[in-house]
Amino acid sequence: DTAVSQTPKYLVTQMGNDKSIKCEQNLGHDTMYWYKQDSKKFLKIMFSYNNKELIINETVPNRFSPKSPDKAHLNLHINSLELGDSAVYFCASSQDTGGYETQYFGPGTRLLVL
Amino acid sequence: GQSLEQPSEVTAVEGAIVQINCTYQTSGFYGLSWYQQHDGGAPTFLSYNALDGLEETGRFSSFLSRSDSYGYLLLQELQMKDSASYFCAVVGAGSYQLTFGKGTKLSVIP
Repeated sequence: DTAVSQTPKYLVTQMGNDKSIKCEQNLGHDTMYWYKQDSKKFLKIMFSYNNKELIINETVPNRFSPKSPDKAHLNLHINSLELGDSAVYFCASSQDTGGYETQYFGPGTRLLVL
Repeated sequence: GQSLEQPSEVTAVEGAIVQINCTYQTSGFYGLSWYQQHDGGAPTFLSYNALDGLEETGRFSSFLSRSDSYGYLLLQELQMKDSASYFCAVVGAGSYQLTFGKGTKLSVIP
């Protein structure tokens, strides 16, 4: 059974389009995250949700909007995609707000904007 | 803010021991985590140090010195499958998040 899953695994799209990435975890965790990993492998947090409440909103463009329908799901919607959005996006989860050190990552979504 | 420094690349021979260092600067500090990421894969948790000293988990050990703002990951009896990128990450006080270093690419050669 997959602990943290993401769909789609690959996403190729044109500049200006809108796309969504879905994430689900079956670990019973309370906190979920979105990370962006660029071509230099720098891993940077974008958002964090605890029990459907946003607790971190790093300085990402407002074209990116996270949505959490319940604590097992955290989706990422991206409007008006730009070339610089090309990256790997990872979803992750952790036990609770005191367990940040141990995060479980999904397989990643490789986004290519043409 | 928080910043972490670790070597960008390390090469070691199969069967040997390698140490990957990490120094950090942070306004508050809870602990230091280590993650492994194979090419094309996801980061996976290896270890966490909140207190000074050495934590051992099989072939991997992690060390922390809070007074020196320094830690390292020690990999023993290197295997080819250990070729991967290794990230240190700081859990900062009050930040409720992990801040990752830029990663060290370890290449294990025969």
